[in-house]
Amino acid sequence: AQSVAQPEDQVNVAEGNPLTVKCTYSVSGNPYLFWYVQYPNRGLQFLLKYITGDNLVKGSYGFEAEFNKSQTSFHLKKPSALVSDSALYFCAVREKRPEAGTALIFGKGTTLSVSS
Amino acid sequence: EAQVTQNPRYLITVTGKKLTVTCSQNMNHEYMSWYRQDPGLGLRQIYYSMNVEVTDKGDVPEGYKVSRKEKRNFPLILESPSPNQTSLYFCASSLGGPNTEAFFGQGTRLTVV
Repeated sequence: AQSVAQPEDQVNVAEGNPLTVKCTYSVSGNPYLFWYVQYPNRGLQFLLKYITGDNLVKGSYGFEAEFNKSQTSFHLKKPSALVSDSALYFCAVREKRPEAGTALIFGKGTTLSVSS
Repeated sequence: EAQVTQNPRYLITVTGKKLTVTCSQNMNHEYMSWYRQDPGLGLRQIYYSMNVEVTDKGDVPEGYKVSRKEKRNFPLILESPSPNQTSLYFCASSLGGPNTEAFFGQGTRLTVV
């Protein structure tokens, strides 16, 4: 079965510093990987995705993610954190199911806290 | 504006009282799904639908029903809610291919007492 792991429940970083939110995955074929962000009392918002091609993917709000096939990782990064980046971040992988259809398999989420 | 709309946003109900959470999308997406979010567990898929009249179970379907009579609507039905269904629920839609991102509703916080 396909799975996603986010090893850190919480990441703390000072404003202006670079941030990394970690994600590793396990899939049986080519991975389709996604990052979503959830602000308090809001739904999930799409940040970026990796389908194929360049291992460095750029997304919304200055975020980027690096796909590393050998390490089966898809870490989310930002060069300079903002207080407004504080939120809950989810990594997800698309699973192709035999009975047709696809499902997003989510990690448990990482809370990012950026201090001023 | 492209969006997924869920109603209600908040709901407190009693055990055994049937309820429906509505979900509607205006993007002509074929694929829709329901997730529940619980602390420490992330999001887990309840049911999904590939198209009108085509639905199937996700990872945690027990105690839930869905229907897809129209492309834009995908209601979640709890015939006899129980306290373990207290959760935050999200509806999502997408074009359906494995490389497509999902669009999520604002969420419905359900409490069953």
